[in-house]
Amino acid sequence: NAGVTQTPKFRVLKTGQSMTLLCAQDMNHEYMYWYRQDPGMGLRLIHYSVGEGTTAKGEVPDGYNVSRLKKQNFLLGLESAAPSQTSVYFCASIPGGLQETQYFGPGTRLLVL
Amino acid sequence: GENVEQHPSTLSVQEGDSAVIKCTYSDSASNYFPWYKQELGKRPQLIIDIRSNVGEKKDQRIAVTLNKTAKHFSLHITETQPEDSAVYFCAPRNRDDKIIFGKGTRLHILP
Repeated sequence: NAGVTQTPKFRVLKTGQSMTLLCAQDMNHEYMYWYRQDPGMGLRLIHYSVGEGTTAKGEVPDGYNVSRLKKQNFLLGLESAAPSQTSVYFCASIPGGLQETQYFGPGTRLLVL
Repeated sequence: GENVEQHPSTLSVQEGDSAVIKCTYSDSASNYFPWYKQELGKRPQLIIDIRSNVGEKKDQRIAVTLNKTAKHFSLHITETQPEDSAVYFCAPRNRDDKIIFGKGTRLHILP
């Protein structure tokens, strides 16, 4: 198993550009989460999904959209990037049932100029 | 809305001493209580967790205690070592499967 992977690892955007971050897991996990972590800060929940075809808002959803069309993929979109969205983005997944540990991807570093 | 508070934000202890970090949550239906460790530049990793039907769990030098009535759980690290220096996060899971992280505790182990 590759575990949880994130694409890309690093990206530089100009203000107003759009992009999509991909989170993929090959462990048949039910739940998936997107967090952002600003320097020296904690993780803040952006959006999450409790199963294929479902999404829900987290703490800081504004400026982001998500989709979970396939169980193994959770996409995070930025329609019009702003400098305030400069951050490290972590994806996590949970198997479901009695297994509740979050498995994190390596992170995507995003710089918006 | 959900509220997760973690204290202290920074903690410095002498090597060999104990460290305790507390996490308070607001959702009384929360049933899973993990602690994560994050080293600089790396992803968070689970170090210990506890479920709502248990009051305490121990794994070598690390323990977690849960007080469901008061809605808080704590991380205990004994005989601290230099490699324990990191940021620690609590992340209780609420009734809607929403997982909010505490703001983190930066632990410094002093030589």
